[in-house]
Amino acid sequence: DQQVKQNSPSLSVQEGRISILNCDYTNSMFDYFLWYKKYPAEGPTFLISISSIKDKNEDGRFTVFLNKSAKHLSLHIVPSQPGDSAVYFCAAFNDYKLSFGAGTTVTVRA
Amino acid sequence: ETGVTQSPTHLIKTRGQQVTLRCSSQSGHNTVSWYQQALGQGPQFIFQYYREEENGRGNFPPRFSGLQFPNYSSELNVNALELDDSALYLCASSSRAGRRKMEQYFGPGTRLTVT
Repeated sequence: DQQVKQNSPSLSVQEGRISILNCDYTNSMFDYFLWYKKYPAEGPTFLISISSIKDKNEDGRFTVFLNKSAKHLSLHIVPSQPGDSAVYFCAAFNDYKLSFGAGTTVTVRA
Repeated sequence: ETGVTQSPTHLIKTRGQQVTLRCSSQSGHNTVSWYQQALGQGPQFIFQYYREEENGRGNFPPRFSGLQFPNYSSELNVNALELDDSALYLCASSSRAGRRKMEQYFGPGTRLTVT
């Protein structure tokens, strides 16, 4: 049962423009949401998180928005840079474990 | 600050064999979680260890087992390997203290191939 879904397997964006990654979830018991970035041959790297009681969290170029009523969150990257090309995973935390989406591959074009 | 390390990097085993994967947690972290990532999918939670005991388990059969040691390092053991066990195995460490317990920090993973 896939409780966290990333419906866009890939995203291509021009350098300097905004990247928007989307994530949907089904379990209303999730209390934190996180975004991870993964390069080939490396483990996922924590990017940013948001508590279920908030609707926005910002850290430099990265902003995460949470819409609890729609069970939807998004990650905005502004401006996109070539080093942002990677796989991005949405994850949701409940009790002790993270549940992950399948990932979105972001390609930043020069 | 030392990050999460895993060994070996790659491993090839034959169906029916047993395998042990190792993980050293990030300094200051006392909890270790293991995840399996199949090709094209997100990581799937296997189990978590805290204070040397299994603290929670995902939907994996008993042939997946683990250990945590007093220095918080951990092992993942898989018996009777099946072809579907071929995947990237990720170890993540975290701290139970404070409100950051959800932030898990991952190692580079062990790529297991079962033939």
